[in-house]
Amino acid sequence: QVRLQESGPGLVKPSQTLSLTCTVSGGSIASGDYYWTWIRQLPGRGLEWIGYVYYSGSSYYNPSLKSRLTMSADASKNQFSLKVSSVTAADTAVYYCARHASRTAMIDYWGQGTLVTVSS
Amino acid sequence: QSVLTQPPSVSGAPGQRVTISCTGSSSNIGAGYDVHWYQQPPGTAPKLLIYANSNRPSGVPDRFSGSKSGTSASLAITGLQAEDEADYYCQSYDSSLFVVFGGGTKLTVL
Repeated sequence: QVRLQESGPGLVKPSQTLSLTCTVSGGSIASGDYYWTWIRQLPGRGLEWIGYVYYSGSSYYNPSLKSRLTMSADASKNQFSLKVSSVTAADTAVYYCARHASRTAMIDYWGQGTLVTVSS
Repeated sequence: QSVLTQPPSVSGAPGQRVTISCTGSSSNIGAGYDVHWYQQPPGTAPKLLIYANSNRPSGVPDRFSGSKSGTSASLAITGLQAEDEADYYCQSYDSSLFVVFGGGTKLTVL
């Protein structure tokens, strides 16, 4: 059973950088069949794909967020990370890390989600 | 504005059948990419409900079924139960290999 757990600050000040880490257990992020994904859900809204990273470090980002995103993967720690720079209140959301199958985009495992609030 | 279009809400009485549509375009569903469905009860993370258009993961009741045709997909729920009340999302790839979601449909069991 693969488990994903997000960690990071729950409160970030405007203009600063939001940083989250996802720790994976029960499976290796170095499996070539999967991408490691970040998705967010703004309060009362639907799901928004942020981007995904391969274990080698290659990544795909949502074009609407791309200029502010950095994703990375550390296979030795079985973790992957998200950084969003220059945050505003509009970045307040529940952030989920997840695993998706590279061929089909099926997201089969999700973290429980972590609420990040952007406020001074 | 979501890339995939879903109705904002649907409702049905216990025991009834409801369907949720998901409409895309020639750059995502119509390009042959699989459609997946997720169920999100209030306050919880989404859970995979249907994968690759019509397949159920282990543990998902056969009351849930999916189909795909052309640029659209559908989720059907038969024998509606109170516990089915949740938000439902469709999802696929688009031609740039970006992940795309529908805007979500809130199912109310009357």
